[in-house]
Amino acid sequence: AQSVTQLDSHVSVSEGTPVLLRCNYSSSYSPSLFWYVQHPNKGLQLLLKYTSAATLVKGINGFEAEFKKSETSFHLTKPSAHMSDAAEYFCVVGYNKFYFGSGTKLNVKP
Amino acid sequence: DGGITQSPKYLFRKEGQNVTLSCEQNLNHDAMYWYRQDPGQGLRLIYYSQIVNDFQKGDIAEGYSVSREKKESFPLTVTSAQKNPTAFYLCASSIGIRDQETQYFGPGTRLLVL
Repeated sequence: AQSVTQLDSHVSVSEGTPVLLRCNYSSSYSPSLFWYVQHPNKGLQLLLKYTSAATLVKGINGFEAEFKKSETSFHLTKPSAHMSDAAEYFCVVGYNKFYFGSGTKLNVKP
Repeated sequence: DGGITQSPKYLFRKEGQNVTLSCEQNLNHDAMYWYRQDPGQGLRLIYYSQIVNDFQKGDIAEGYSVSREKKESFPLTVTSAQKNPTAFYLCASSIGIRDQETQYFGPGTRLLVL
């Protein structure tokens, strides 16, 4: 069975400090993994995806994620937060269909 | 510009009324999806379609219906049987239905009950 757990429902950082959004997955097979971002009342935008190539995946807007099979994790990071990063982030496992995490709301303080 | 459009942005439903949400894509994608989003929850799959004239129930299909008469269009009808329709509805599309296929999302429709 496939599932996704986002470990934090809310994360708050100061502008210019690093961002870490945590995601653990459960899958019987090697899944495809995605991170999406959603700004208020908007659709979801793809940040990055992992499909069994390089374990460190670079995405848009300076985000990256590392696939760690031994830890079944796919955490999202960014070295320096910007005010425009404030949004909700979804970790997704793709296996026959998409399995969504419950989301992490990122707050960026000035 | 290629993309997915959803209309209307806001929709109000009266008790006992059926309402239809529009989803159109010009990405030439075969697969299309409808999701429902409630506060504090991830997205839940309502229906999906792999190809024209074919669609399958997702996890929460009760009270909803869809059609796929054209490749570009995948309208969702929220029927009076859906007792709690207030939610944000997102349409998505992908090239096909495989694990690694990226889904591209529309801007969403917020449905409110009067």
